[in-house]
Amino acid sequence: DGGITQSPKYLFRKEGQNVTLSCEQNLNHDAMYWYRQDPGQGLRLIYYSQIVNDFQKGDIAEGYSVSREKKESFPLTVTSAQKNPTAFYLCASTEGHTGELFFGEGSRLTVL
Amino acid sequence: AQSVTQPDIHITVSEGASLELRCNYSYGATPYLFWYVQSPGQGLQLLLKYFSGDTLVQGIKGFEAEFKRSQSSFNLRKPSVHWSDAAEYFCAVGEGNFNKFYFGSGTKLNVKP
Repeated sequence: DGGITQSPKYLFRKEGQNVTLSCEQNLNHDAMYWYRQDPGQGLRLIYYSQIVNDFQKGDIAEGYSVSREKKESFPLTVTSAQKNPTAFYLCASTEGHTGELFFGEGSRLTVL
Repeated sequence: AQSVTQPDIHITVSEGASLELRCNYSYGATPYLFWYVQSPGQGLQLLLKYFSGDTLVQGIKGFEAEFKRSQSSFNLRKPSVHWSDAAEYFCAVGEGNFNKFYFGSGTKLNVKP
């Protein structure tokens, strides 16, 4: 079945450590997105990529980095510079013409 | 700047009752509007979308939404709520080229037996 796979589902890290969240899609979608979800704040855009080897900052990119070396993959690194990284992270993709976002099941990051 | 407002943080309805979730948007051009549903600890699933044409759109699971340009609203409705509808609902607006999407803060729906 086609879809988006995020891993790990749960992740714990100590302060000062970088962590990388994986996002893989087999939908053949060009565009991919990373959102952060906090209670009561909805989804906020971290980074998005419309095509391989290109990506753009979203509204809350500080403390995060991404890469898009393959169409299928869009990993997100939460760096030690992110002051409040504990959150639920959602990866999504879209084919573009329909506008529908397809979401992974999310990764919950907790900083200890 | 584009924004989406969902004024109700929590709503509780009885099973079998009707439901309306409110959404207001601010967007300079013709909006592309969406409603998504999220079960706890899961990703989001598209319920319905509006691009153009008939302002009343039908979605999955018996949901519908009405676009009212004069009120900048896109409210979600369901005539009879089922216990399985308990979830969080997000309204979103997409830019014309679908580069970016803006989400509301969500409405949590509780369903009483």
